[in-house]
Amino acid sequence: KAGVTQTPRYLIKTRGQQVTLSCSPISGHRSVSWYQQTPGQGLQFLFEYFSETQRNKGNFPGRFSGRQFSNSRSEMNVSTLELGDSALYLCASRRYREAETQYFGPGTRLLVL
Amino acid sequence: AQSVTQLDSHVSVSEGTPVLLRCNYSSSYSPSLFWYVQHPNKGLQLLLKYTSAATLVKGINGFEAEFKKSETSFHLTKPSAHMSDAAEYFCVVSDPNDYKLSFGAGTTVTVRA
Repeated sequence: KAGVTQTPRYLIKTRGQQVTLSCSPISGHRSVSWYQQTPGQGLQFLFEYFSETQRNKGNFPGRFSGRQFSNSRSEMNVSTLELGDSALYLCASRRYREAETQYFGPGTRLLVL
Repeated sequence: AQSVTQLDSHVSVSEGTPVLLRCNYSSSYSPSLFWYVQHPNKGLQLLLKYTSAATLVKGINGFEAEFKKSETSFHLTKPSAHMSDAAEYFCVVSDPNDYKLSFGAGTTVTVRA
């Protein structure tokens, strides 16, 4: 069974631009969560989607948004990029919200110049 | 609120010697606890999980962890380190109310030949 896939793997943007990252969960998994990983803040929860609805949101500004499609694929968007948005963005999926284990993708590394 | 504290930011061991990574947790509920490993430029891989069954949990690649409620600890061990164990390790707790994951700051393991 294929794992969680994320595209693109690497991205370079400039301040003020916007970016969209994509995540395809493991087949049959309906919950997708997004995390930001930086050296200074570590791993922080962004949001979770289940059945096309946002179920949870972390403490990030409104510039960070996401959505989930009927096939469970998810996208996250960051508008008006700032230098501090440079990070590894990880996506994780699980079969349903109550499932205990999340499976992570390889991440998208975003560099904002 | 759930939280975890990883007591060592960096652990250095010689190949073939035991590895001990320490994690303390704080939880208002009976927690679900996980250890994940992240190799350079990779996503997170699940090593093992504790979900209120046996207190000694065996994971992949020879790792195991013991849940000690009296000490609120979930330390990760491996009897004999291998060069391929060099990575960053995260102790994680899951909130049973909203299933959000809270990550420790991570422990970087270096294995000396």
